[in-house]
Amino acid sequence: GENVEQHPSTLSVQEGDSAVIKCTYSDSASNYFPWYKQELGKGPQLIIDIRSNVGEKKDQRIAVTLNKTAKHFSLHITETQPEDSAVYFCATPLYGGSQGNLIFGKGTKLSVKP
Amino acid sequence: NAGVMQNPRHLVRRRGQEARLRCSPMKGHSHVYWYRQLPEEGLKFMVYLQKENIIDESGMPKERFSAEFPKEGPSILRIQQVVRGDSAAYFCASSLQGPGGNQPQHFGDGTRLSIL
Repeated sequence: GENVEQHPSTLSVQEGDSAVIKCTYSDSASNYFPWYKQELGKGPQLIIDIRSNVGEKKDQRIAVTLNKTAKHFSLHITETQPEDSAVYFCATPLYGGSQGNLIFGKGTKLSVKP
Repeated sequence: NAGVMQNPRHLVRRRGQEARLRCSPMKGHSHVYWYRQLPEEGLKFMVYLQKENIIDESGMPKERFSAEFPKEGPSILRIQQVVRGDSAAYFCASSLQGPGGNQPQHFGDGTRLSIL
């Protein structure tokens, strides 16, 4: 089955700086890579996802890059703001492929200092 | 609110009691997934259901845990004879299509289960 490693576990940046979170996966059949943001007391909220037919996807200050050869994908947040502070999780299908039950990384706690 | 609705938000039970967690998927979604999250951990898959069918329960403990998604009404995750180790946040997600489809999973805000 799939295995997902996420780094770093904690990340502290100054407001306005960029933040990068990286995940590696083991199943080369995986084709779908979502990122979720979880605020305290809330459920995970999908913020961006990418499928294997593209190498990068951007949505305003958030971007995700995918390297299928190296089997890793990264979340990039530019011009960070205090409201970006949360726990971020990467995920990919548990059995590879493009959808279905997800396996999650252990999360990155991002703190943005004003 | 058209999102995934879970209730109760918080549930306290004593050891040996039963816990029932409910999840109403987003409107039009017929695929439901349950995940468990321990403190400082990521979410772990438990069970995937379609209306009236359990599709994949490989992540769910074989004893004391059961799930259903009836034709009418919410999906229910049931934990019998709860133990302290069952204390966790339980999240439900729903999607428009199941595996092989092209739709993401959307999560509710979870039920935080505490066992005394």
